[in-house]
Amino acid sequence: NAGVTQTPKFRVLKTGQSMTLLCAQDMNHEYMYWYRQDPGMGLRLIHYSVGEGTTAKGEVPDGYNVSRLKKQNFLLGLESAAPSQTSVYFCASSYSPRLALPYEQYFGPGTRLTVT
Amino acid sequence: AQRVTQPEKLLSVFKGAPVELKCNYSYSGSPELFWYVQYSRQRLQLLLRHISRESIKGFTADLNKGETSFHLKKPFAQEEDSAMYYCALGGVNSGGSNYKLTFGKGTLLTVNP
Repeated sequence: NAGVTQTPKFRVLKTGQSMTLLCAQDMNHEYMYWYRQDPGMGLRLIHYSVGEGTTAKGEVPDGYNVSRLKKQNFLLGLESAAPSQTSVYFCASSYSPRLALPYEQYFGPGTRLTVT
Repeated sequence: AQRVTQPEKLLSVFKGAPVELKCNYSYSGSPELFWYVQYSRQRLQLLLRHISRESIKGFTADLNKGETSFHLKKPFAQEEDSAMYYCALGGVNSGGSNYKLTFGKGTLLTVNP
């Protein structure tokens, strides 16, 4: 099992450019999440999905869009990148919390994005 | 609203000393609390969850509902414990439907030799 993987690992964008970050998981998890990690701010939830074809806004959704066309993939898009979006982006996945399992989110390795 | 407060951004101790990383939370329902750890250049991983009442790598955390705290403790710190530690609170959103984790801002623990 690869677990949660993210593509790409690093990227540098110019202001106004667009890009898509791909998250993939092979654990058959229903829930998937996108976070950004900034110094002194911790992890902040951007968007999440509770199942294929569904998405919902998190704490800091502005400037981002997401799609969950397949259960195993969760895409994060930046339509017009801004320097404020320079960050490390983490994807995570989990089983539904409603299942009688100990809840745990599994994280990807992160994508380091710089917007100049 | 869910809120997690980790009052210390940085914590530095010497090897063999006790360590306590503080976490306080605010939540109107029944809380589920977790500690996640991120070692240098690695992904975040779950360290322990309150519901399991477990000890992982010598760390323990007790949920104190009266003080709304979930502090992480270890009696004798080791150099390999140096990492970023995040406290997280699990709960449903204001609409009562979707479950999510709210993370604190993290505490960077450095264990000096």
